[in-house]
Amino acid sequence: NAGVTQTPKFQVLKTGQSMTLQCAQDMNHNSMYWYRQDPGMGLRLIYYSASEGTTDKGEVPNGYNVSRLNKREFSLRLESAAPSQTSVYFCASKLSFGEQFFGPGTRLTVL
Amino acid sequence: GESVGLHLPTLSVQEGDNSIINCAYSNSASDYFIWYKQESGKGPQFIIDIRSNMDKRQGQRVTVLLNKTVKHLSLQIAATQPGDSAVYFCAERAVNFGNEKLTFGTGTRLTIIP
Repeated sequence: NAGVTQTPKFQVLKTGQSMTLQCAQDMNHNSMYWYRQDPGMGLRLIYYSASEGTTDKGEVPNGYNVSRLNKREFSLRLESAAPSQTSVYFCASKLSFGEQFFGPGTRLTVL
Repeated sequence: GESVGLHLPTLSVQEGDNSIINCAYSNSASDYFIWYKQESGKGPQFIIDIRSNMDKRQGQRVTVLLNKTVKHLSLQIAATQPGDSAVYFCAERAVNFGNEKLTFGTGTRLTIIP
């Protein structure tokens, strides 16, 4: 099992550009999550999907959209990137119970 | 609002010694607590968890203690090794209308001195 995979690993955008961060898991998990991690702050939840076909806002959803493409894949889209979205983004997944498993992260810089 | 905080942002420990990382939480409704380890350039990795109806749980070289009276959580790592150097996060879980919410602390950087 590859676990949780994320692409790309690194990305540099200019203000106003758009991009999609991809996440996939091969553990047959029901729930998937997108977090951002900023220096000096804990992980903050952007969006989550409790099950295939559902998505909900987390703590910091503004400026982002998500798609739960199927059970395996959960993508995060920035429609018009802003410097405040410079961060490290982590995707996670879990079964209905137990701990969340995290991907390796995408380091995004918005100039 | 709810918060999870760590008492010390950095901790240096001599290799072979024991280390203790502390965490305070504020949501008395949290039913589950987790410790994660994050190595440089990687995602958080689950270490150990504890349910709110327990006071102590042990794993391999790690022990988590939960004191609900003072809303305090600690992670003890025994006989530390260089590979234990990382940032450690605590997280608390609350469930609201069937939706799980994890609140993470800011992390403590543990450095093992050879």
